[in-house]
Amino acid sequence: GESVGLHLPTLSVQEGDNSIINCAYSNSASDYFIWYKQESGKGPQFIIDIRSNMDKRQGQRVTVLLNKTVKHLSLQIAATQPGDSAVYFCAEIPMDSSYKLIFGSGTRLLVRP
Amino acid sequence: KAGVTQTPRYLIKTRGQQVTLSCSPISGHRSVSWYQQTPGQGLQFLFEYFSETQRNKGNFPGRFSGRQFSNSRSEMNVSTLELGDSALYLCASSWPKEGPSADTQYFGPGTRLTVL
Repeated sequence: GESVGLHLPTLSVQEGDNSIINCAYSNSASDYFIWYKQESGKGPQFIIDIRSNMDKRQGQRVTVLLNKTVKHLSLQIAATQPGDSAVYFCAEIPMDSSYKLIFGSGTRLLVRP
Repeated sequence: KAGVTQTPRYLIKTRGQQVTLSCSPISGHRSVSWYQQTPGQGLQFLFEYFSETQRNKGNFPGRFSGRQFSNSRSEMNVSTLELGDSALYLCASSWPKEGPSADTQYFGPGTRLTVL
């Protein structure tokens, strides 16, 4: 499959443990934040999103936390599974440009069996 | 419902040539966006189309262009290819409201372009 990034930070976790992936975003005026998962050979897949008026949102096994004070976003994955191994990207949508996503550089998650 | 499809999946060209990539959005989706993904620059926004109109454009040279057809299918074209244009080109579709909104974008598998 395609190489998503040669120098991505890597998080290695044991199967069954919880994973926390962090992201610093750039635009304090961004209104909307999204986490995407990209597996080898595939396009990014939507995981979860959060609006700027929220600080936490939960999905199935995933939780996104937003700290606007320090412009920080995190994705928590509970009971990490081998199928969670992928590259994870955060993305923001600025208020003044709602038609495009600005992506972070990505984090590679490796799940050890 | 079928996902976003992109053709071709792989393409090899030489410097100076031009290339056209195609994207078919999810049925009913009217917005199509294009992104370039490289190991060095990551995912970068190229442009977005809605109802055959370009609504937003990223910071790419004029060699990169696109269009959208009445059936929402989109093409992007790169002229006078350079080695640095080698990348994975991703298309995403969404079903936006009339005005600016943060509708979920669904990505296709991408077209891997290699410029020799």
